[in-house]
Amino acid sequence: GAGVSQSPSNKVTEKGKDVELRCDPISGHTALYWYRQRLGQGLEFLIYFQGNSAPDKSGLPSDRFSAERTGESVSTLTIQRTQQEDSAVYLCASSLVIATNEKLFFGSGTQLSVL
Amino acid sequence: DQQVKQNSPSLSVQEGRISILNCDYTNSMFDYFLWYKKYPAEGPTFLISISSIKDKNEDGRFTVFLNKSAKHLSLHIVPSQPGDSAVYFCAVDGGSQGNLIFGKGTKLSVKP
Repeated sequence: GAGVSQSPSNKVTEKGKDVELRCDPISGHTALYWYRQRLGQGLEFLIYFQGNSAPDKSGLPSDRFSAERTGESVSTLTIQRTQQEDSAVYLCASSLVIATNEKLFFGSGTQLSVL
Repeated sequence: DQQVKQNSPSLSVQEGRISILNCDYTNSMFDYFLWYKKYPAEGPTFLISISSIKDKNEDGRFTVFLNKSAKHLSLHIVPSQPGDSAVYFCAVDGGSQGNLIFGKGTKLSVKP
């Protein structure tokens, strides 16, 4: 597709349930990033992938969060045993390569609401 | 503690006038700075960037100024247009690959 695609666009879940968020990056982009934006806050970096590898997972908020990427394409962000503080917009971005001056192209995000 | 601060949550400007959005950062080692624009229900889109070797970068109606001694950057939009109404995020390259550090954003409203 032309841009970064994320699904679902909205997800409402009950506390304690697991959720899976999906990101389809721009074709050919080797780098993929996950951010989240809580209400009234800036974008918070979670994790990035270079190819299928995530060299640094320290940005993930807790061990309930995990992410994977396959085929240097689709990525999924999984949140286990969701908590109300996980409510946020989860944004995925991709770039051609990882470099300081490389533009990130963002998807529209998944609005996650944990009741 | 916030490393990138946008102290004005909102800004209202008349069409045709200049919009000035400000951003402060804490770490003098940061060397690459970006502005992203975000419309409701859309992801942020890249607007303009500047490297620390420069103090100004211009792209059409958008100019970013960098004051390294003050650890301050600003985005000037002139003339402002109603279509510029959006949330503007300041971001810095955090030094770790893939890690852009964003401010909380400033919501710009340009009134016709």
